[in-house]
This record gives sequence, structure tokens and C-alpha cells, in this order.
Amino acid sequence: EDQVTQSPEALRLQEGESSSLNCSYTVSGLRGLFWYRQDPGKGPEFLFTLYSAGEEKEKERLKATLTKKESFLHITAPKPEDSATYLCAVRTARQLTFGSGTQLTVLP
Amino acid sequence: GAGVSQSPSNKVTEKGKDVELRCDPISGHTALYWYRQRLGQGLEFLIYFQGNSAPDKSGLPSDRFSAERTGESVSTLTIQRTQQEDSAVYLCASSLDFGQGHYNSPLHFGNGTRLTVT
Repeated sequence: EDQVTQSPEALRLQEGESSSLNCSYTVSGLRGLFWYRQDPGKGPEFLFTLYSAGEEKEKERLKATLTKKESFLHITAPKPEDSATYLCAVRTARQLTFGSGTQLTVLP
Repeated sequence: GAGVSQSPSNKVTEKGKDVELRCDPISGHTALYWYRQRLGQGLEFLIYFQGNSAPDKSGLPSDRFSAERTGESVSTLTIQRTQQEDSAVYLCASSLDFGQGHYNSPLHFGNGTRLTVT
């Protein structure tokens, strides 16, 4: 059975304090890994797609990386507006599986 | 608009009543998904429509839940005889059909319908 685990469940950072969120997966035949941001009262907003090990994508203060077993979402010098829940999802030929998310709070 | 549209945005209903939730996907997106998200929880898969194939209904929690899709456009999720445990945000998403090789196509979500059963 495909499994996607995100850690930590919650993370509190001071503004400017860089950190990483983890998404580990056990699937057969990865076809793509997706990162989303979800603000309260909103649907998840697409951030990145990663397809193969070694791939990296960047957007502003966020950088996503992928290995054969996990993905990291690195947040460099975060700002309070980066506070949100970050979700990862893994696609195989058969299905799409979401992790339970990391709730990030960035304090001013 | 260019995004996924869901209506209503909020719905309050009495226990035992039926409700219908609507989703308008992005034009050209042949795949459509429904998810449920309880307060503070992750996304719970409900049902998936992919082109003309039979829908994947494996996530529907009971026979009170059903969904339909007209061609490659609007979908409705119906919950009959609502119960208090049905209270949640119901999210719809659409994407290109990964069954046709669009594996990298991300899901694009609407902002959901917040359902409250009193």
C-alpha cells in the first residue's frame, strides 16, 4: 500500500529562521511528487511538481528537492506570510496519495 | 474564471436533509476529484472521475454519498440523510488526465464547500 508521511506535524519558526519540511514516501513506481500550500479557509494551492530523484524546483523563499525516498521543502529566511499548511502528494500509475501536512507558523 | 469553482461556499443543513454540492472544473481538465477535509485534518479521498472511464468510488464512506459528472464538465456531490459527522469542507479538484500520460499534471483545487450539519 502506498504511504506518504510528512514531518513534523507542526513547526514554529521565528522570522528569518530557515528550516526544512519532510515528505517521505513508500510507493511502487513514482510518477510525480507535488507540493501544495493551504491557507485557512482555502483550497490547496499548487507549488511544485518533482518527477525524478535529484530534481530541484525553486519559488521565492521555497526550494523543493527529491530523492528516491523523500522530498524536502526548504524555506529560507521565512516571513510571517509563509505561515500555512504545506501538503505533499505522490502519484503512481494507480493513484494519488496525500500526506497529512505540516502546519508552519512563522512568528514576526 | 480560470480556476475551479465550487458552490455554495457554505451550507448549513439540518440532520436528515439531503444536500447537493457543485463543482465547475477548469475547462479542458478531464480528471475531477472530490475530497473531504475535517477540521484540522488531512485530505480524505472520496471519488475520482477520469474521462469516459467508470469513476473510482472507492473513497465514498457510505451509500449516502454519491456523485455524478456530466461529460467533462460540472460535477455534483450528493449527500443523502446528512449526519453530524458529515460536517466538513468538501474540496473539488481537476487536472489533465494522467491516464493519458499527464503524470506531472497537478491537481487544481477549488476553495471548497463548508458543510455544517446541525
